[in-house]
Amino acid sequence: EAGVTQFPSHSVIEKGQTVTLRCDPISGHDNLYWYRRVMGKEIKFLLHFVKESKQDESGMPNNRFLAERTGGTYSTLKVQPAELEDSGVYFCASSQVQGAVDEQFFGPGTRLTVL
Amino acid sequence: ILNVEQSPQSLHVQEGDSTNFTCSFPSSNFYALHWYRWETAKSPEALFVMTLNGDEKKKGRISATLNTKEGYSYLYIKGSQPEDSATYLCAFDPILTGGGNKLTFGTGTQLKVEL
Repeated sequence: EAGVTQFPSHSVIEKGQTVTLRCDPISGHDNLYWYRRVMGKEIKFLLHFVKESKQDESGMPNNRFLAERTGGTYSTLKVQPAELEDSGVYFCASSQVQGAVDEQFFGPGTRLTVL
Repeated sequence: ILNVEQSPQSLHVQEGDSTNFTCSFPSSNFYALHWYRWETAKSPEALFVMTLNGDEKKKGRISATLNTKEGYSYLYIKGSQPEDSATYLCAFDPILTGGGNKLTFGTGTQLKVEL
């Protein structure tokens, strides 16, 4: 069974540009989460989808970040325009069961560098 | 704001040494505590999901204990090997209304096992 995949693995962009990150969850997992780790700090929650619906987007830093999950399969996270403080590793995770103790399976992350 | 702390921040041990790390978390609204093993550029790998006070789980040479009343968990590695070198993350999983498993991570303990 394929795990959670993320694309690209690395992205280097200039301040003010746009970047779109993609996450493909494990097939059949309704829950999809985005997290971010800024250098030297803890991994922080950004948002949670259940199928195509945003369940919780309380961790999104500001309106420069837009997440979508059309059709309830893969998800994209767009940053527009990117700022220096957006640099970090963006993780996606998926799980099967909502509202119960369930393992979240993580992807390898996308390392974003904003220059 | 939830506070999850891990100590030590980093650890260097010799091959064959046994070691342990600590994760402290809020003792209220507890639902589960997750341990992950993370090597840079790879997916964080789930080690344990712990739910019950007094729980003890084991996977090979790695084991973990849980005390929900005082809000801490220990991770033990017996007979450390170089391949155990990684960052060990704990994540607090609180009771949430409306479902969703919004994990709050600690900053991790970076373990280096030397020959």
